[in-house]
Amino acid sequence: ILNVEQSPQSLHVQEGDSTNFTCSFPSSNFYALHWYRWETAKSPEALFVMTLNGDEKKKGRISATLNTKEGYSYLYIKGSQPEDSATYLCAPQADGNTGKLIFGQGTTLQVKP
Amino acid sequence: DAGVTQSPTHLIKTRGQHVTLRCSPISGHKSVSWYQQVLGQGPQFIFQYYEKEERGRGNFPDRFSARQFPNYSSELNVNALLLGDSALYLCASSSAGRGQGYEQYFGPGTRLTVT
Repeated sequence: ILNVEQSPQSLHVQEGDSTNFTCSFPSSNFYALHWYRWETAKSPEALFVMTLNGDEKKKGRISATLNTKEGYSYLYIKGSQPEDSATYLCAPQADGNTGKLIFGQGTTLQVKP
Repeated sequence: DAGVTQSPTHLIKTRGQHVTLRCSPISGHKSVSWYQQVLGQGPQFIFQYYEKEERGRGNFPDRFSARQFPNYSSELNVNALLLGDSALYLCASSSAGRGQGYEQYFGPGTRLTVT
């Protein structure tokens, strides 16, 4: 069973602050790491899919890095805005024969104006 | 283009009843996965179907079943409902059924309440 840990569980920041979250996962049987942003009452939105050790991806003010050897990924948000308020989920794919994702509990971000 | 759609949005059922949830994938996507999200936890994998065949099954009892139709839409069925089945049920579609690193797109979910 893959154990996925996300920290912190929740985060409150002021508008303009930069922040980062951690996703830890067992480094064996790794195929890919997905990050999702999930706003209340909406569908989870795919942010990044990363497969290679050392991968770095960026989308606007949000970026992510991946270390498959030590089993962690960081998600960074630069200059947080109120619209960034959401739950951020990471999900390793540990099975190459299926798309099965193992989700962490998520980090809930609240950005105050 | 329409994203992944799910119906119904909300559902209230009584213990012991049966429920059917529906999912329509993004046009052109042949893979559908189902996840259960209980409050306070991340989504848990239930099933994956690709080209109408079951590709993967999570750690759920046999009361849970699913199928995929020729148009790639899917149904999730749950028999003999228990209070613990109350959750948000998410459907995800993707173009690939196996391999690594392909994106999966989620629908808004069906909120099931069992009383």
